[in-house]
Amino acid sequence: AQTVTQSQPEMSVQEAETVTLSCTYDTSESDYYLFWYKQPPSRQMILVIRQEAYKQQNATENRFSVNFQKAAKSFSLKISDSQLGDAAMYFCAYRSEGNRDDKIIFGKGTRLHILP
Amino acid sequence: NAGVMQNPRHLVRRRGQEARLRCSPMKGHSHVYWYRQLPEEGLKFMVYLQKENIIDESGMPKERFSAEFPKEGPSILRIQQVVRGDSAAYFCASSRFRGPYEQYFGPGTRLTVT
Repeated sequence: AQTVTQSQPEMSVQEAETVTLSCTYDTSESDYYLFWYKQPPSRQMILVIRQEAYKQQNATENRFSVNFQKAAKSFSLKISDSQLGDAAMYFCAYRSEGNRDDKIIFGKGTRLHILP
Repeated sequence: NAGVMQNPRHLVRRRGQEARLRCSPMKGHSHVYWYRQLPEEGLKFMVYLQKENIIDESGMPKERFSAEFPKEGPSILRIQQVVRGDSAAYFCASSRFRGPYEQYFGPGTRLTVT
């Protein structure tokens, strides 16, 4: 069974600085998808970024980028120029490719604090 | 274009009562997923439904929990004889197609069992 591990329960970063959130996963599959979701205090789940495992190039969305290391099964999220609105829980997540398994598997989350 | 809608947003039930949680997927979406989030935990998959069919219920507790997605109307997650351990946030997500397409999440229903 696939698992997702986030080893940092909480992190803090100064506004305008850069922070990296760690995530490792375990799978025997070769094709899959990885995600980072943001959950602000409103509890709404917001997709931040998505990575297809077959793509070697790291995904980027504005100030958010990932470092995807397939061999190491590592998928970290880098937030550049941190803003107060980035304060939230961040969840790393995994999904199998195709119709083998439709569920998304989430890590336990990292709570990110932005210090003004 | 309305997003995934869930109601109620907050639900309080006494032990032994029934809880009914509703989810209306995005327009054009016929695939619905239910997840549960316990305090300080990530979301955990419960069940995946298409219209009138349960596709995967591997995450559903064997007793007291049931889900449906009728041809007309919202998807319903039903919890009978609730216990304190059922207190959690329940999220619904929907997608247009089956497969690795984005699942759009609703705002969740927070269930409190007293």
